[in-house]
Amino acid sequence: AQSVTQPDIHITVSEGASLELRCNYSYGATPYLFWYVQSPGQGLQLLLKYFSGDTLVQGIKGFEAEFKRSQSSFNLRKPSVHWSDAAEYFCAMTTGTASKLTFGTGTRLQVTL
Amino acid sequence: DAGVIQSPRHEVTEMGQEVTLRCKLISGHNSLFWYRQTMMRGLELLIYFNNNVPIDDSGMPEDRFSAKMPNASFSTLKIQPSEPRDSAVYFCASSYTGAYNEQFFGPGTRLTVL
Repeated sequence: AQSVTQPDIHITVSEGASLELRCNYSYGATPYLFWYVQSPGQGLQLLLKYFSGDTLVQGIKGFEAEFKRSQSSFNLRKPSVHWSDAAEYFCAMTTGTASKLTFGTGTRLQVTL
Repeated sequence: DAGVIQSPRHEVTEMGQEVTLRCKLISGHNSLFWYRQTMMRGLELLIYFNNNVPIDDSGMPEDRFSAKMPNASFSTLKIQPSEPRDSAVYFCASSYTGAYNEQFFGPGTRLTVL
């Protein structure tokens, strides 16, 4: 069965510091991978997605993610975090033949000034 | 485009009452997903439709929950009778199946059952 694991429940970084949020997936082939962000009281917003091709994908708000097949990972990065990035981040996957997204449990990011 | 529209944004009701949540898809999208989010269980897929047909309802908690798509752009999620444990934020999302399943989420309905 397919699954997504986000090993970090909560991360705190200082404003201006770099950020990496981890995501690992379990699936027999290459899935379609997504990162979503949820600000308090809001719905989820798509940050970026990987379908195929270049393994480093750029998203909105200065985020990027790298797909590593050998590690079954799709980690989210940002070189310099802003206070407004404080939110919950969800990694998700789906296969090519289904419309169902499988979400990780989320990582809550706190940014200190 | 206005995005996915959900109503109401907040609902407070008493145990035993019927609750109906509504969702309008983005124009041109043909897949619709209902999710529930709680602190304890995180984000759960309840049901999803493709071209108005329910594809997977395995996440629907029990018979008290039902979802419909009376037309291609609108869906309802009904809880009858409601219970306090149904208190959660309910999201709907839509996608175009040809777009590799990228989903666009509505703002959610916060349901409180007293």
